[in-house]
Amino acid sequence: NAGVTQTPKFQVLKTGQSMTLQCAQDMNHEYMSWYRQDPGMGLRLIHYSVGAGITDQGEVPNGYNVSRSTTEDFPLRLLSAAPSQTSVYFCASSYQGQGAFGYTFGSGTRLTVV
Amino acid sequence: SQQGEEDPQALSIQEGENATMNCSYKTSINNLQWYRQNSGRGLVHLILIRSNEREKHSGRLRVTLDTSKKSSSLLITASRAADTASYFCATIGNKLVFGAGTILRVKS
Repeated sequence: NAGVTQTPKFQVLKTGQSMTLQCAQDMNHEYMSWYRQDPGMGLRLIHYSVGAGITDQGEVPNGYNVSRSTTEDFPLRLLSAAPSQTSVYFCASSYQGQGAFGYTFGSGTRLTVV
Repeated sequence: SQQGEEDPQALSIQEGENATMNCSYKTSINNLQWYRQNSGRGLVHLILIRSNEREKHSGRLRVTLDTSKKSSSLLITASRAADTASYFCATIGNKLVFGAGTILRVKS
């Protein structure tokens, strides 16, 4: 089925560990983005990409890295996990940026840092 | 900081009633989108309204946009238990920014 696929669905990390959250889409969308969702705070933009080879920071980029080597994939790397990064992470894609089209979201990765 | 703020934070209604949620935002926008999130799931795009539009319909959904007041409303008519979810507005300047959402509970 076409859409946005996120892996893993659940992850527990120890403080200081690193990991990569995977995101892949098969809709040939140029625009991809990562959000984190915390209770009562809606979704906050971490990083986004308007196309392969192009990334930019969102509202809360500290502690996260991204790269976009292909149109399909947009992994999010946690460099040294901290308890404050405990959250649900969503990847989203769109045909174009600028909100001209609706965004398609993945089902999320629930991350706990202990 | 969040661009959109939804009101009310929570809403509980009986099946068959209409539900109205409001969204206010701070800066100029290109368009505004509404999303639904069922518990533990990703967000689903409901409807997009452009900054030069005032009203838009999609099935049981009606969205209005007042750019002079920097506000939008989402009306769900004849609500169903399956409409129970969180609803978010999202606005675009050059990035999609979400509000904190309205939790809607439809009682059967």
